[in-house]
Amino acid sequence: DIVMTQSPATLSVSPGERATLSCRASQSVSNNLAWYQQKPGQTPRLLIYDTSTRATGIPARFSGSGSGTEFILTISSLQSEDFAVYYCQQYNRWPTFGGGTRVEIK
Amino acid sequence: QVTLRESGPALVKPRETLTLTCTFSGFSLSSSGMCVSWIRQPPGKALEWLARIDWDDDKYYNISLKTRLTISKDSSKKQVVLTMTNVDPADTATYYCARTVHESSWFFDYWGQGTLATVSS
Repeated sequence: DIVMTQSPATLSVSPGERATLSCRASQSVSNNLAWYQQKPGQTPRLLIYDTSTRATGIPARFSGSGSGTEFILTISSLQSEDFAVYYCQQYNRWPTFGGGTRVEIK
Repeated sequence: QVTLRESGPALVKPRETLTLTCTFSGFSLSSSGMCVSWIRQPPGKALEWLARIDWDDDKYYNISLKTRLTISKDSSKKQVVLTMTNVDPADTATYYCARTVHESSWFFDYWGQGTLATVSS
C-alpha cells in the first residue's frame, strides 16, 4: 500500500489568513491526488482532483499543487465555513487516504 | 441530481456477516465508466477504501480485507451491496458508498451520508 502522511495534524488559523496543508506519499503517485473536506457529522466533499483541478462548485480560494510524493492544499483566505478536517487521497494504485489535518479557529 | 444512501444494521455481533446496501439515483451504473465504491471510517480515525464495482461488473477489493468482502450490484434497482463476513469490533465504523465517474480515476465525487455499524456482543 502507498502510505499517505499529512501534516500538521492540527492547524490553527485565524479567519482571513492563509492555510497550507501538506500531504506526502511513501512513493510516487504522479498527479493522482485528491483532497476532501469533512465537517463534523458530514460526508466528505471532493475539493480537488488530479492534484490541482477544483471539483464542481469549489471556490477559487482552494488550490492544490505538487507532484510525485509531495502535495500541498492551500486555502488562500480562510472563511468560517472552511474550518474542518481535510484528507488527501492517492489513486495511483489502490486508493489510500491520509490521516487528515484538522483546521481550527485560532 | 446525484444521491447515494447507505443502509444496514446498526448493530452486528462478532463473527456474524454485515450486509450493507447503497441505493443511488441520478446516474446509471450501466453507463460506461461509472463505478461505486465502499469506504469506511472508524470513529475518530481516517478513511479506508474497501471495495469497488464497475459498470461492466469488474470488482476490486482492498487486499487486506479481500477474503471477507463481496461486492455486487443490481443496476435495475440502482443498488450496490457489500457483505463483510466474520466481523470483529475493529470493523465498527461509518460505512460510506461513493461514486467514481471514470474507471481509471479512483477519486470520489459524490458520497452518501454513511451508516454507522457497531460490532458488539
